[in-house]
Amino acid sequence: NAGVTQTPKFQVLKTGQSMTLQCAQDMNHEYMSWYRQDPGMGLRLIHYSVGAGITDQGEVPNGYNVSRSTTEDFPLRLLSAAPSQTSVYFCASSSSVVNEQFFGPGTRLTVL
Amino acid sequence: DAKTTQPNSMESNEEEPVHLPCNHSTISGTDYIHWYRQLPSQGPEYVIHGLTSNVNNRMASLAIAEDRKSSTLILHRATLRDAAVYYCILRGANTGTASKLTFGTGTRLQVTL
Repeated sequence: NAGVTQTPKFQVLKTGQSMTLQCAQDMNHEYMSWYRQDPGMGLRLIHYSVGAGITDQGEVPNGYNVSRSTTEDFPLRLLSAAPSQTSVYFCASSSSVVNEQFFGPGTRLTVL
Repeated sequence: DAKTTQPNSMESNEEEPVHLPCNHSTISGTDYIHWYRQLPSQGPEYVIHGLTSNVNNRMASLAIAEDRKSSTLILHRATLRDAAVYYCILRGANTGTASKLTFGTGTRLQVTL
């Protein structure tokens, strides 16, 4: 049981490039979320999903897209990277409305 | 969304109990109180959660005020490995809001020998 996995662990992009951060979970969780964490700050919600085919925006969705075609996977796409998107990105999943969320190890992204 | 207020930092000696406070005066009747912690360079880790009654697990205890406007995370014997940022978070019970965890800046706990 791998839990929540994220790839890559580190990524450097140039301004304007696009990329996809991968997130997968093997716990059959319905709920998945993406957060970003800037230095010295708490986590901010980007997008979330309550099940396959259902996604919604969080607190800071601009510049990011998501889709949820399967229960296991929840990729985050950066459409045109900007230096302001330099951050650590965390993916999380949970089994129910109120139970604990399991977090992945994070992807550290730098946009030059 | 209901917000939480926590002290920026706290210190504790190893082997002593630690009480981490959290105020959430605008909590709604269906909001659960969750605590997470984040060790350096790691993702957040679930600690405990509760609704109205006090809760205990292997990591910690959660004491919830009778009016639910505040709560306290209790680490019974702090160790150096407990040094982390602790987040108190309210999580709604509705499907749309429950997936979202709104993190504040948390309390940075320092544990010394």
